[in-house]
Amino acid sequence: RKEVEQDPGPFNVPEGATVAFNCTYSNSASQSFFWYRQDCRKEPKLLMSVYSSGNEDGRFTAQLNRASQYISLLIRDSKLSDSATYLCVVKNDYKLSFGAGTTVTVRA
Amino acid sequence: DADVTQTPRNRITKTGKRIMLECSQTKGHDRMYWYRQDPGLGLRLIYYSFDVKDINKGEISDGYSVSRQAQAKFSLSLESAIPNQTALYFCATSDLSSTDTQYFGPGTRLTVL
Repeated sequence: RKEVEQDPGPFNVPEGATVAFNCTYSNSASQSFFWYRQDCRKEPKLLMSVYSSGNEDGRFTAQLNRASQYISLLIRDSKLSDSATYLCVVKNDYKLSFGAGTTVTVRA
Repeated sequence: DADVTQTPRNRITKTGKRIMLECSQTKGHDRMYWYRQDPGLGLRLIYYSFDVKDINKGEISDGYSVSRQAQAKFSLSLESAIPNQTALYFCATSDLSSTDTQYFGPGTRLTVL
């Protein structure tokens, strides 16, 4: 079983729409959780950390459910520039485990 | 200038050839990592180094070796390249005080024919 699993998508949404997706992780002892963004063939970049209480960064909202071992990301008022692959990342000790990514395409 | 650089950015080589991928960083971070990314798979850790004298295997180290020449430099070698090592390779860095955030280089696209 993969450590981190994501729906690959793609999620095709119009500008201004809300899009949400999840990932699940297998190690209940995982310590930290993140969403990274990766544009086509470029390096991953940290989008936001995910905290147990949930957190927002502008139009992005992340939630963590430790009991069910899933993490979610919601994007409100989607922009064309939000088109990317979103990587769910889980940290155990020093090691980051990456999901394969969820692709989001925002159309005009 | 980019904080984490990788050379070459693209490379095509033949089966059995030795190839080295280089990573340099100006962030002053102690920790450096090498990952590979394949379509449909997440990034997988090949090797990591927490300082110049520290080298550790990741989850897929077979067929690879590394060298930490200095705090700022971390090289990945394929001693005898094979086609299933065709992938996108990323170097990343992080520091002791904030090991949660890894900063990635732009990647090296390697094709082994």
